[in-house]
Amino acid sequence: DTAVSQTPKYLVTQMGNDKSIKCEQNLGHDTMYWYKQDSKKFLKIMFSYNNKELIINETVPNRFSPKSPDKAHLNLHINSLELGDSAVYFCASSQGVSGELFFGEGSRLTVL
Amino acid sequence: KNEVEQSPQNLTAQEGEFITINCSYSVGISALHWLQQHPGGGIVSLFMLSSGKKKHGRLIATINIQEKHSSLHITASHPRDSAVYICAVDNAGGTSYGKLTFGQGTILTVHP
Repeated sequence: DTAVSQTPKYLVTQMGNDKSIKCEQNLGHDTMYWYKQDSKKFLKIMFSYNNKELIINETVPNRFSPKSPDKAHLNLHINSLELGDSAVYFCASSQGVSGELFFGEGSRLTVL
Repeated sequence: KNEVEQSPQNLTAQEGEFITINCSYSVGISALHWLQQHPGGGIVSLFMLSSGKKKHGRLIATINIQEKHSSLHITASHPRDSAVYICAVDNAGGTSYGKLTFGQGTILTVHP
């Protein structure tokens, strides 16, 4: 039973399309995150939600909109996809904003 | 200069060798994380520490807050330890809790 699950694992789409990546955790954690890993494998925080409230919003284009319908879910919607959005997106969760992190398997987005 | 610097960037070892990966940071932190990313892509949290030393199996992590430095040691290395090891710091204070800043990663290859 996967603790943090993301769907889809792979996503190939055309520039200009809108796509979503879903994340669910069954650990009972109250904090969830989205990270972006670029082609050089460098990780960077995008968003963090604690108890469904946005607490971290890095300098991410407003084409990226996270949505947390409840504490167990944090989805990422991306509008008007660009080539530079191609990356692996990792969802993670923790108990509290400074707890140990549990990562999903990642979602590889390729924009053509 | 990145806020979090790891060394070495690449490390090759023979099975059985003792391995050390270093992480230096320039900001005040509340905690430091060591993460492992296997070639398949998934990320696993190895340690989260704010002082002293932690041990888990063949892995040992130490941190010196005054010197802003942490080390990850692997004793009796094995080919299955081959992975990217990532250091991340949780910036201290206010609303920055939970905002991790990542090092660039250390690629470890252990040969049989």
